[in-house]
Amino acid sequence: DTEVTQTPKHLVMGMTNKKSLKCEQHMGHRAMYWYKQKAKKPPELMFVYSYEKLSINESVPSRFSPECPNSSLLNLHLHALQPEDSALYLCASSQESGPYEQYFGPGTRLTVT
Amino acid sequence: AQSVTQLDSQVPVFEEAPVELRCNYSSSVSVYLFWYVQYPNQGLQLLLKYLSGSTLVESINGFEAEFNKSQTSFHLRKPSVHISDTAEYFCAVSSNSGYSTLTFGKGTMLLVSP
Repeated sequence: DTEVTQTPKHLVMGMTNKKSLKCEQHMGHRAMYWYKQKAKKPPELMFVYSYEKLSINESVPSRFSPECPNSSLLNLHLHALQPEDSALYLCASSQESGPYEQYFGPGTRLTVT
Repeated sequence: AQSVTQLDSQVPVFEEAPVELRCNYSSSVSVYLFWYVQYPNQGLQLLLKYLSGSTLVESINGFEAEFNKSQTSFHLRKPSVHISDTAEYFCAVSSNSGYSTLTFGKGTMLLVSP
């Protein structure tokens, strides 16, 4: 089973809202990732968690707050977003952090109004 | 640091024709290489990977890629494409040691028409 699930599939939120994106994997992977993807662009890495600890933050604004409650779950808390934050948010996981293939979820399409 | 260049942003091709999507990389250390495919409104799917061993790697749906160290390339090929192969294809590289993350190319849109 190489499935990564993400909820919700679509999310529309206002700039004053607080919402969360969820990601789950049951492959026993110990690294999980958040990416942001704008239309016609490759994914941009936002955060990396390794063994439930934040290991990489690619200078992401504080209005994005990641959380890893356990080795299977990854959340991304959103607050006071801007319209330019509208994008496809992808979660991925891999066996370990580093040079391992990553498995991606289907993404959450976020629209900020 | 590493980088990936996908020279073609879009490749139009007729159904049942062969196709090659080009990928070149730059790295000062040894690398792992990947091709991902993204169908419209979906996430990325791992298509194939080169980690070590045989330089020719194949996927279950007829794609293959060859790692060429001297030319720093990892081109993706398929001898006969289908309409359903229409998608965005991303080449990605990771150094094979340390705390490495994936570096993606800008992607190539494969457009297969009847």
